Amino acid sequence: GQQLNQSPQSMFIQEGEDVSMNCTSSSIFNTWLWYKQDPGEGPVLLIALYKAGELTSNGRLTAQFGITRKDSFLNISASIPSDVGIYFCAGPVNVFGPGTRLSVLP
Amino acid sequence: DAGVIQSPRHEVTEMGQEVTLRCKPISGHDYLFWYRQTMMRGLELLIYFNNNVPIDDSGMPEDRFSAKMPNASFSTLKIQPSEPRDSAVYFCASSSTGPATEAFFGQGTRLTVV
Repeated sequence: GQQLNQSPQSMFIQEGEDVSMNCTSSSIFNTWLWYKQDPGEGPVLLIALYKAGELTSNGRLTAQFGITRKDSFLNISASIPSDVGIYFCAGPVNVFGPGTRLSVLP
Repeated sequence: DAGVIQSPRHEVTEMGQEVTLRCKPISGHDYLFWYRQTMMRGLELLIYFNNNVPIDDSGMPEDRFSAKMPNASFSTLKIQPSEPRDSAVYFCASSSTGPATEAFFGQGTRLTVV
């Protein structure tokens, strides 16, 4: 089956810093989805990518579909306290990666 | 729309008891997913349905777990008998147009088996 890896597993950053995280897969994907999970809630979609090389932004978030179709990247610019949470990548059939836990220090 | 609705929100049960988790997907969505989330194993896809038919149940951990979708507006995940290692948060999600499109999640059921 699909195997997804995310890095880093966790990160602590200062408010205002930019954040980068990535996701790799053991197989080629036609879809990459990035979700965020707040404590006590279910994941919520941030960005969806459907084409290799695609670069998509949603406010301070930017995600890219890697040209190898085996990876994707998520960047958050000028982090704020409400960015705290777990960020998941997901591939086809909404199989999720292990997540990157983000903490933002004031 | 009220979103995906799960019940109960919390469940505490004794080992060996049967547990039934319930989910009402968003109206019009034809895909329904069940996930289990733990610190150790992350967010695992257990099973998903398309038009009420189970498509892939390869994530179901063992025969103690079963899922049904008798109609487009209701699904259950049953564990019988329950064990302490089943303690987790169970999420239901639904999507429209395909399994690779945005999934909308419920708030989850936190199951504790003592």
